[in-house]
Amino acid sequence: KQEVTQIPAALSVPEGENLVLNCSFTDSAIYNLQWFRQDPGKGLTSLLLIQSSQREQTSGRLNASLDKSSGRSTLYIAASQPGDSATYLCAVRGGATNKLIFGTGTLLAVQP
Amino acid sequence: DAGITQSPRYKITETGRQVTLMCHQTWSHSYMFWYRQDLGHGLRLIYYSAAADITDKGEVPDGYVVSRSKTENFPLTLESATRSQTSVYFCASKSQDYTEAFFGQGTRLTVV
Repeated sequence: KQEVTQIPAALSVPEGENLVLNCSFTDSAIYNLQWFRQDPGKGLTSLLLIQSSQREQTSGRLNASLDKSSGRSTLYIAASQPGDSATYLCAVRGGATNKLIFGTGTLLAVQP
Repeated sequence: DAGITQSPRYKITETGRQVTLMCHQTWSHSYMFWYRQDLGHGLRLIYYSAAADITDKGEVPDGYVVSRSKTENFPLTLESATRSQTSVYFCASKSQDYTEAFFGQGTRLTVV
């Protein structure tokens, strides 16, 4: 059974810092991995999707990497801003179905 | 409005009552999903659908019923609500196998 873990569970950084969020999964046979952002009381906003054949994806200040063999993905946020404060979730799609298995998230607080 | 919408956004119901949560998407996506989000458990899949009239169980289907008579709608029914079904429910959709999933804003359900 696929299990997805995100470390740390919470992170507080001063504005301007570069930071890395981690996501690990137990079964390397995934189709793709997706990073989401969730603001309090809101839905999930898709940030980046990495296919299993890709090593990384970039969108603005965000860069996500994928190492399938080691079961890891990282989300790198450059020059963090208070507006980046949110919960970040990773989800993997594995097997023949389209089910996404989620990690429990990292709560990020960027202090002004 | 284009996108994926859930209704109602908030619902309070009594134990034993039947309640239906609605999900509507305007993209004609093939796949639709229902998740629940609880503290300590993250997002867990309840049911999903690969196309109209095709549904399948997820991780936590007990006590829930779904139907998909039209591609754009995927209602979730709690046949006899219990307090343990108090949660935030999210609907999601995606078009094909290797595309990203999009989420609705969620329905906060309280069973008293």
